[in-house]
Amino acid sequence: SQLAEENLWALSVHEGESVTVNCSYKTSITALQWYRQKSGEGPAQLILIRSNEREKRNGRLRATLDTSSQSSSLSITATRCEDTAVYFCATAPYAQGLTFGLGTRVSVFP
Amino acid sequence: DMKVTQMPRYLIKRMGENVLLECGQDMSHETMYWYRQDPGLGLQLIYISYDVDSNSEGDIPKGYRVSRKKREHFSLILDSAKTNQTSVYFCASSSGDSDYTFGSGTRLLVI
Repeated sequence: SQLAEENLWALSVHEGESVTVNCSYKTSITALQWYRQKSGEGPAQLILIRSNEREKRNGRLRATLDTSSQSSSLSITATRCEDTAVYFCATAPYAQGLTFGLGTRVSVFP
Repeated sequence: DMKVTQMPRYLIKRMGENVLLECGQDMSHETMYWYRQDPGLGLQLIYISYDVDSNSEGDIPKGYRVSRKKREHFSLILDSAKTNQTSVYFCASSSGDSDYTFGSGTRLLVI
């Protein structure tokens, strides 16, 4: 089973709206990472949030982390069509490489 | 421009042929990875390399081997490719457990 997983397969929003992707994980972590993968490309790291952080921002992106419920969220504000992608959360337990969730496909429509 | 480069981008091989996928990085990262990505299964870790000639199996190493003779290069080898190895393969490198960079992938079709 996945050590980290997003809770929805797909989300659709219109440009300008906000969207939130949620993730739950099963191991104790030192950090959780969010990635974006556009069609035909490799995953690109968006935000790394460490276990002693509750929130982290990167431009229009905001990640939260709740270690008590082992969950995280990634919010995108003022979405644009180019935000259309699959969003993954990932953890790196025991320094054995990243373990990814299956991803949430976010579609942003004009 | 820091990047991970994968070659080739697309590859078609017949069952039983040997396959070599190559990956390079220009960030002097010690650790490199090979993943495969399949619909419904997500990204699965095949091998990790912690440095030159220091490789470790990931979650799905069967049918694959790797080679790392220089820090900046990491190769994935499929000896006698099988149709179930049709997939998209991604190479990545990292600085510690934080800054991961992925390549654009190699799309392998085994027929």
